Amino acid sequence: EPEVTQTPSHQVTQMGQEVILRCVPISNHLYFYWYRQILGQKVEFLVSFYNNEISEKSEIFDDQFSVERPDGSNFTLKIRSTKLEDSAMYFCASSGIGGAYNSPLHFGNGTRLTVT
Amino acid sequence: GQQVMQIPQYQHVQEGEDFTTYCNSSTTLSNIQWYKQRPGGHPVFLIQLVKSGEVKKQKRLTFQFGEAKKNSSLHITATQTTDVGTYFCAGRSLYNQGGKLIFGQGTELSVKP
Repeated sequence: EPEVTQTPSHQVTQMGQEVILRCVPISNHLYFYWYRQILGQKVEFLVSFYNNEISEKSEIFDDQFSVERPDGSNFTLKIRSTKLEDSAMYFCASSGIGGAYNSPLHFGNGTRLTVT
Repeated sequence: GQQVMQIPQYQHVQEGEDFTTYCNSSTTLSNIQWYKQRPGGHPVFLIQLVKSGEVKKQKRLTFQFGEAKKNSSLHITATQTTDVGTYFCAGRSLYNQGGKLIFGQGTELSVKP
């Protein structure tokens, strides 16, 4: 069964450094998402992406965050200057041709970001 | 903004006991989805409910969507150790149907054999 893949599985960075989290969504999916989950807490929406542009973003997704789909397969999340509070598990997800309305989200295994 | 609340936060049961988690939205939903996250894993889609009052079953799991499309529940009959994990509901606002899927806080289920 096709799956969403994320790399790296764990990223450790120093405060103030830039990080790029990478995702390869399921190949025929059109909608892409980033969510994050602070340890033991809920899954929080960051951003959705469709047709090569951001369709919606949350208050968390400030100017320090950006997303890109640089080619036909990768979907990246960049954090320009990391803060301690950015430490979390970051999940990439994609949904299929059923559209944004009814399609389930397929999540990757996540990247655990630790900011020291 | 839209909020999705879920209770209880934790539930510890003896194997064989039943389990229920409840989900409430601050706004009317177009649909609601349920996900299960095993410890150390990622959320995995279980089911989607769309119609007012809808009830769906998956083996020992029963999902309900409220008449007003603002609440939902998941009931597990005769829990097994394989049911361990965190169960999340997630909904999209009826007024922003293509919009973000908002997750509840989740209910963490532990099952004692």
